[in-house]
Amino acid sequence: GAGVSQSPSNKVTEKGKDVELRCDPISGHTALYWYRQSLGQGLEFLIYFQGNSAPDKSGLPSDRFSAERTGGSVSTLTIQRTQQEDSAVYLCASSALVVSADTQYFGPGTRLTVL
Amino acid sequence: AQSVAQPEDQVNVAEGNPLTVTCTYSVSGNPYLFWYVQYPNRGLQFLLKYITGDNLVKGSYGFEAEFNKSQTSFHLKKPSALVSDSALYFCAVRVLMDSNYQLIWGAGTKLIIKP
Repeated sequence: GAGVSQSPSNKVTEKGKDVELRCDPISGHTALYWYRQSLGQGLEFLIYFQGNSAPDKSGLPSDRFSAERTGGSVSTLTIQRTQQEDSAVYLCASSALVVSADTQYFGPGTRLTVL
Repeated sequence: AQSVAQPEDQVNVAEGNPLTVTCTYSVSGNPYLFWYVQYPNRGLQFLLKYITGDNLVKGSYGFEAEFNKSQTSFHLKKPSALVSDSALYFCAVRVLMDSNYQLIWGAGTKLIIKP
């Protein structure tokens, strides 16, 4: 596609429910990143995928968070047993290569609200 | 520790005046530096990057940034601000962590251009 797409754009859920956020990166980009941005805050790195390598999960805040990337393309970020502090905008980005200083291209984000 | 600092939470500039958004970094090795912009209710957009070569880097929308190795800075500048430049600006630096490259992000600076 022309850019990184994310769905849904907004998600409201109740505390304790599971949510899935989807990211469709730019075609051909081998690297995919998930970030979290709380209101008025900077970006918090969550996880990235590079090709078929094991993902770097070092930024995941707890074991309630997980992500997968199927077929080296679409990625799903899953948050289990959501908590109110999970409320944030979740951003996905992709880049052609992670080893070089390739530019990351961001999707519009998913705004998650946990009631 | 490797880090990026954007000491100003907010910068106010009158339209037509020059603007500067400050960024300093602390990394080992040669830094790869980036500026991104986030317009209201939009995703992050790449503005410019420095990898090597000329210290003055020109980017999108008339922005430029100057890499200063001795001061470990990468300030974003524009000669004449527009109201439409009002947005949230993020500085980022590439770092090597656990054999993988990541971007470390500054906290962001809100730029307000007043007519």
